[in-house]
Amino acid sequence: QKEVEQNSGPLSVPEGAIASLNCTYSDRGSQSFFWYRQYSGKSPELIMFIYSNGDKEDGRFTAQLNKASQYVSLLIRDSQPSDSATYLCAVPGGSYIPTFGRGTSLIVHP
Amino acid sequence: GAGVSQSPRYKVAKRGQDVALRCDPISGHVSLFWYQQALGQGPEFLTYFQNEAQLDKSGLPSDRFFAERPEGSVSTLKIQRTQQEDSAVYLCASSLGTSGTYNEQFFGPGTRLTVL
Repeated sequence: QKEVEQNSGPLSVPEGAIASLNCTYSDRGSQSFFWYRQYSGKSPELIMFIYSNGDKEDGRFTAQLNKASQYVSLLIRDSQPSDSATYLCAVPGGSYIPTFGRGTSLIVHP
Repeated sequence: GAGVSQSPRYKVAKRGQDVALRCDPISGHVSLFWYQQALGQGPEFLTYFQNEAQLDKSGLPSDRFFAERPEGSVSTLKIQRTQQEDSAVYLCASSLGTSGTYNEQFFGPGTRLTVL
Protein backbone atom coordinates (compact mmCIF):
# COMPACT_ATOMS: atom_id res chain seq x y z
CA GLN A 1 0.00 0.00 0.00
CA LYS A 2 1.59 3.22 -1.14
CA GLU A 3 1.19 5.97 1.41
CA VAL A 4 1.54 9.70 1.18
CA GLU A 5 1.40 11.54 4.49
CA GLN A 6 0.69 15.20 5.10
CA ASN A 7 -0.15 17.13 8.23
CA SER A 8 -3.74 18.29 7.78
CA GLY A 9 -3.07 21.61 9.54
CA PRO A 10 -4.28 24.23 9.42
CA LEU A 11 -0.98 25.99 9.01
CA SER A 12 -1.46 29.65 9.78
CA VAL A 13 1.15 32.20 8.67
CA PRO A 14 1.12 35.99 8.50
CA GLU A 15 1.10 37.76 5.16
CA GLY A 16 4.62 38.08 3.79
CA ALA A 17 6.02 35.10 5.69
CA ILE A 18 7.36 31.84 4.29
CA ALA A 19 4.92 28.92 4.42
CA SER A 20 6.52 25.47 4.59
CA LEU A 21 4.44 22.44 3.66
CA ASN A 22 5.75 18.90 4.04
CA CYS A 23 4.95 15.50 2.60
CA THR A 24 6.42 12.06 3.23
CA TYR A 25 5.94 9.00 1.07
CA SER A 26 6.45 5.29 1.51
CA ASP A 27 7.37 4.06 -1.98
CA ARG A 28 11.15 4.30 -2.37
CA GLY A 29 10.75 3.69 -6.10
CA SER A 30 8.79 6.89 -6.66
CA GLN A 31 10.45 9.11 -9.22
CA SER A 32 8.25 12.16 -9.52
CA PHE A 33 6.34 14.32 -7.08
CA PHE A 34 3.58 16.85 -7.55
CA TRP A 35 1.99 19.65 -5.59
CA TYR A 36 -1.61 20.64 -6.26
CA ARG A 37 -3.47 23.60 -4.84
CA GLN A 38 -7.17 23.23 -4.08
CA TYR A 39 -9.27 26.21 -3.11
CA SER A 40 -12.32 25.49 -1.00
CA GLY A 41 -15.08 24.04 -3.15
CA LYS A 42 -12.88 23.94 -6.23
CA SER A 43 -10.92 21.26 -8.03
CA PRO A 44 -7.16 20.65 -7.64
CA GLU A 45 -4.75 22.47 -9.94
CA LEU A 46 -1.13 21.54 -10.51
CA ILE A 47 1.34 24.15 -9.27
CA MET A 48 4.69 22.35 -9.07
CA PHE A 49 6.36 19.08 -9.95
CA ILE A 50 9.86 17.82 -9.19
CA TYR A 51 11.88 14.82 -10.34
CA SER A 52 15.39 15.36 -9.03
CA ASN A 53 16.85 15.70 -5.56
CA GLY A 54 17.33 19.26 -4.48
CA ASP A 55 15.32 22.40 -5.08
CA LYS A 56 13.13 23.58 -7.93
CA GLU A 57 11.98 27.17 -7.97
CA ASP A 58 9.06 28.72 -9.82
CA GLY A 59 8.25 32.27 -8.84
CA ARG A 60 7.35 32.38 -5.15
CA PHE A 61 7.19 28.57 -4.98
CA THR A 62 10.08 26.22 -4.25
CA ALA A 63 9.77 22.45 -4.19
CA GLN A 64 12.40 20.51 -2.28
CA LEU A 65 12.99 16.80 -2.70
CA ASN A 66 15.03 14.45 -0.53
CA LYS A 67 14.69 10.90 -1.83
CA ALA A 68 16.94 9.40 0.82
CA SER A 69 14.65 10.67 3.56
CA GLN A 70 11.53 10.21 1.42
CA TYR A 71 10.12 13.65 1.83
CA VAL A 72 9.14 16.47 -0.45
CA SER A 73 8.29 19.96 0.68
CA LEU A 74 6.79 23.11 -0.78
CA LEU A 75 7.90 26.55 0.31
CA ILE A 76 5.81 29.60 -0.48
CA ARG A 77 7.68 32.86 -0.09
CA ASP A 78 6.00 36.20 0.56
CA SER A 79 2.74 34.43 1.35
CA GLN A 80 -0.42 36.22 0.29
CA PRO A 81 -4.00 35.80 1.54
CA SER A 82 -4.79 34.46 -1.95
CA ASP A 83 -2.47 31.52 -1.19
CA SER A 84 -4.94 30.32 1.44
CA ALA A 85 -5.98 26.89 0.18
CA THR A 86 -5.36 23.19 0.71
CA TYR A 87 -2.11 21.91 -0.75
CA LEU A 88 -2.10 18.32 -1.93
CA CYS A 89 1.02 16.24 -2.42
CA ALA A 90 0.72 13.56 -5.13
CA VAL A 91 3.11 10.71 -5.81
CA PRO A 92 2.62 8.55 -8.91
CA GLY A 93 3.15 4.84 -8.47
CA GLY A 94 4.45 2.26 -10.89
CA SER A 95 1.59 2.81 -13.31
CA TYR A 96 1.95 6.57 -12.91
CA ILE A 97 -1.47 6.76 -11.29
CA PRO A 98 -0.98 9.23 -8.45
CA THR A 99 -1.61 8.66 -4.78
CA PHE A 100 -2.68 11.87 -3.08
CA GLY A 101 -2.03 12.91 0.47
CA ARG A 102 -4.93 14.28 2.53
CA GLY A 103 -3.68 17.81 2.01
CA THR A 104 -2.50 20.59 4.30
CA SER A 105 -4.77 23.56 4.86
CA LEU A 106 -2.87 26.86 4.67
CA ILE A 107 -4.28 30.08 6.05
CA VAL A 108 -2.45 33.32 5.31
CA HIS A 109 -3.77 36.10 7.50
CA PRO A 110 -3.31 39.81 6.77
CA GLY B 1 -14.77 23.20 -24.33
CA ALA B 2 -11.71 24.72 -22.80
CA GLY B 3 -11.59 22.47 -19.77
CA VAL B 4 -12.97 19.33 -18.19
CA SER B 5 -16.66 19.57 -17.46
CA GLN B 6 -18.78 17.44 -15.19
CA SER B 7 -22.50 17.15 -14.69
CA PRO B 8 -24.47 17.43 -12.61
CA ARG B 9 -22.52 19.67 -10.26
CA TYR B 10 -24.70 18.61 -7.35
CA LYS B 11 -26.76 15.49 -6.89
CA VAL B 12 -28.95 14.50 -3.98
CA ALA B 13 -30.10 10.88 -3.96
CA LYS B 14 -32.15 8.83 -1.61
CA ARG B 15 -30.43 5.74 -0.28
CA GLY B 16 -30.95 2.90 -2.71
CA GLN B 17 -31.27 5.07 -5.81
CA ASP B 18 -29.00 4.70 -8.82
CA VAL B 19 -27.03 7.74 -10.01
CA ALA B 20 -25.01 8.53 -13.14
CA LEU B 21 -22.26 11.12 -13.19
CA ARG B 22 -20.91 12.46 -16.45
CA CYS B 23 -17.46 13.70 -17.40
CA ASP B 24 -16.49 15.53 -20.59
CA PRO B 25 -12.68 15.55 -20.82
CA ILE B 26 -10.57 18.03 -22.74
CA SER B 27 -10.82 17.22 -26.44
CA GLY B 28 -8.01 14.92 -27.56
CA HIS B 29 -7.01 13.82 -24.09
CA VAL B 30 -6.25 10.11 -24.09
CA SER B 31 -6.33 9.43 -20.36
CA LEU B 32 -9.28 9.86 -18.05
CA PHE B 33 -9.35 9.31 -14.32
CA TRP B 34 -12.14 9.21 -11.73
CA TYR B 35 -11.47 10.08 -8.10
CA GLN B 36 -13.58 10.18 -4.97
CA GLN B 37 -12.85 12.95 -2.49
CA ALA B 38 -14.36 12.83 0.97
CA LEU B 39 -14.50 15.96 3.11
CA GLY B 40 -11.07 16.83 4.48
CA GLN B 41 -9.32 14.13 2.47
CA GLY B 42 -7.29 14.01 -0.70
CA PRO B 43 -8.69 12.51 -3.90
CA GLU B 44 -8.83 8.71 -3.86
CA PHE B 45 -8.28 6.95 -7.18
CA LEU B 46 -11.26 5.00 -8.52
CA THR B 47 -10.57 4.05 -12.12
CA TYR B 48 -8.51 4.92 -15.21
CA PHE B 49 -9.28 4.84 -18.93
CA GLN B 50 -6.91 5.04 -21.84
CA ASN B 51 -9.18 5.96 -24.73
CA GLU B 52 -12.13 3.56 -24.41
CA ALA B 53 -10.21 0.87 -22.52
CA GLN B 54 -10.62 0.69 -18.76
CA LEU B 55 -7.06 -0.23 -17.76
CA ASP B 56 -7.38 0.03 -14.01
CA LYS B 57 -10.48 -0.21 -11.84
CA SER B 58 -8.73 -1.25 -8.67
CA GLY B 59 -10.02 1.74 -6.73
CA LEU B 60 -13.73 1.10 -7.23
CA PRO B 61 -14.98 0.43 -3.70
CA SER B 62 -17.62 -2.15 -4.57
CA ASP B 63 -19.43 -3.78 -7.45
CA ARG B 64 -22.07 -1.09 -7.12
CA PHE B 65 -19.66 1.24 -8.90
CA PHE B 66 -19.32 1.02 -12.66
CA ALA B 67 -17.60 3.30 -15.16
CA GLU B 68 -17.52 3.42 -18.92
CA ARG B 69 -16.06 5.46 -21.75
CA PRO B 70 -17.49 3.75 -24.81
CA GLU B 71 -16.19 6.08 -27.52
CA GLY B 72 -13.02 7.18 -25.83
CA SER B 73 -14.33 10.63 -24.98
CA VAL B 74 -17.21 11.19 -22.55
CA SER B 75 -17.21 8.98 -19.47
CA THR B 76 -19.97 8.03 -17.08
CA LEU B 77 -19.57 6.82 -13.51
CA LYS B 78 -22.61 4.92 -12.32
CA ILE B 79 -23.36 4.07 -8.73
CA GLN B 80 -26.11 1.57 -8.09
CA ARG B 81 -28.13 1.34 -4.87
CA THR B 82 -26.42 4.34 -3.34
CA GLN B 83 -25.43 4.25 0.32
CA GLN B 84 -24.72 7.12 2.71
CA GLU B 85 -21.00 6.31 2.64
CA ASP B 86 -21.03 7.11 -1.09
CA SER B 87 -21.53 10.79 -0.24
CA ALA B 88 -18.47 12.62 -1.54
CA VAL B 89 -17.22 14.79 -4.36
CA TYR B 90 -16.48 12.78 -7.49
CA LEU B 91 -13.69 14.31 -9.54
CA CYS B 92 -12.86 13.55 -13.12
CA ALA B 93 -9.44 14.39 -14.58
CA SER B 94 -7.99 14.03 -18.04
CA SER B 95 -4.47 14.13 -19.40
CA LEU B 96 -3.05 14.32 -22.89
CA GLY B 97 -0.84 11.22 -22.80
CA THR B 98 -1.00 7.75 -21.37
CA SER B 99 -0.12 6.61 -17.89
CA GLY B 100 3.19 5.33 -19.22
CA THR B 101 4.64 8.78 -18.76
CA TYR B 102 3.13 11.17 -16.28
CA ASN B 103 1.21 13.95 -17.89
CA GLU B 104 -0.37 16.83 -16.08
CA GLN B 105 -3.90 16.00 -15.04
CA PHE B 106 -6.59 18.61 -15.52
CA PHE B 107 -9.47 18.27 -13.11
CA GLY B 108 -13.12 19.01 -13.65
CA PRO B 109 -15.16 20.94 -11.07
CA GLY B 110 -16.50 17.73 -9.54
CA THR B 111 -19.93 16.40 -8.72
CA ARG B 112 -20.96 16.65 -5.09
CA LEU B 113 -23.11 13.62 -4.29
CA THR B 114 -25.20 13.60 -1.14
CA VAL B 115 -27.02 10.40 -0.24
CA LEU B 116 -29.81 10.84 2.27
